[in-house]
Amino acid sequence: AQKVTQAQTEISVVEKEDVTLDCVYETRDTTYYLFWYKQPPSGELVFLIRRNSFDEQNEISGRYSWNFQKSTSSFNFTITASQVVDSAVYFCALSEAWMDTGFQKLVFGTGTRLLVSP
Amino acid sequence: NAGVMQNPRHLVRRRGQEARLRCSPMKGHSHVYWYRQLPEEGLKFMVYLQKENIIDESGMPKERFSAEFPKEGPSILRIQQVVRGDSAAYFCASSPPFRESNNEQFFGPGTRLTVL
Repeated sequence: AQKVTQAQTEISVVEKEDVTLDCVYETRDTTYYLFWYKQPPSGELVFLIRRNSFDEQNEISGRYSWNFQKSTSSFNFTITASQVVDSAVYFCALSEAWMDTGFQKLVFGTGTRLLVSP
Repeated sequence: NAGVMQNPRHLVRRRGQEARLRCSPMKGHSHVYWYRQLPEEGLKFMVYLQKENIIDESGMPKERFSAEFPKEGPSILRIQQVVRGDSAAYFCASSPPFRESNNEQFFGPGTRLTVL
């Protein structure tokens, strides 16, 4: 069975600090996809990144960066120089490989609430 | 190209009433997923539908919940005889036919159901 663990329930930082959100996953599939979503206080889900299991290159997008390590089954997310607008709940998710029907279920972690204070 | 639309955004029901949640997928998308987010929890998969077909409903509660995605019109998640434990945010996501999808689901803004 697939599982995503986000052990940090809540993290509080002061603006301009760097912060890393941890994500550990379990799957028996050799092909899978990992995602990060942001859920701001308004409640919608904002897609941040998708990474497939064959691509272990780290990725940087502005102040955001992701560190994918298959050896430790982790897909951690770092925000550099955090800002108040980064305050949100962040979810890591895992999906298994395609099935013939195109079915692709996302399994979400329980989320990490990030509070950035001025 | 409008995104995934869900309505209503907020729905209040009394115990025992019915709740109908609607989801209009993105144009050209034929696959719809429903997820439920209980308070302070992550999203949990409920059901996956293609036009006129339920493909996987392994996450749906056995009773009172049903879903459909008719040939015409939005997908509907229906909850009969709601109870307080049904209070949650219900998210819909859509994707194109899988050979075109690049493995991405597009989420709607969610419907927040409150059962009094």
